[in-house]
Amino acid sequence: QVQLVQSGGGVVQPGHSLRLSCEASGFTFNNFAMHWVRQAPGKGLDWVTVISYDGSQKYYTDSVKGRFSISRDNSKNALYLQMNSLRVEDTAVYYCASWGVSSFEGFFPWGQGTLVTVSS
Amino acid sequence: SFELTQPPSLSLSPGQTARITCSGDALPQQYTSWYQQRPGQAPVLVIYKDSERPSGIPERFSGSTSGTIVTLTISGVQAEDEADYYCQSADNNPYWVFGGGTKLTVL
Repeated sequence: QVQLVQSGGGVVQPGHSLRLSCEASGFTFNNFAMHWVRQAPGKGLDWVTVISYDGSQKYYTDSVKGRFSISRDNSKNALYLQMNSLRVEDTAVYYCASWGVSSFEGFFPWGQGTLVTVSS
Repeated sequence: SFELTQPPSLSLSPGQTARITCSGDALPQQYTSWYQQRPGQAPVLVIYKDSERPSGIPERFSGSTSGTIVTLTISGVQAEDEADYYCQSADNNPYWVFGGGTKLTVL
């Protein structure tokens, strides 16, 4: 079945860096754009960034521009999020999600989520 | 970017019909998706392209649109439908936006 499995995350001090990973299976990874969405504790969903199917186009929400970098390795069916200069307000559960898999024009599937805590 | 507005909460008894609205000025020009999120779990796509239902989603879930308002309808809510529901759309920048979420409580 279509699946995204995430790894990475943890506790990090403000100003430090962290890298999240997301591995896809069950669908042709290099045909689909991939996103990261985050959810602060007790809050709603916030879109973070997107990368095109071939990695040539990337877009970011304003609050992470210049600090976060999305990338993908289609040979490994893997998506990454490099987070630098982390702030307390970046604390959230981070989800990877694909768009358009199985012809569903929405975020599908989603990874299981990984918690990033930025605290001194 | 644009904003999507949802009511924060809705409480119903089992068997009643839930109608969760999502309003936004850009909605007439863009498709909307809906997601269900149970506590401690990842979101699940329940409606896409305003009214299409993915395979595996029960028929009691449906979507509709009228001008700047889109609606998720759950006909005959069940205890298992208790969850947070989020609408989502996108603009041409591109920029993806979620509504603030509606907490559905099944009494």
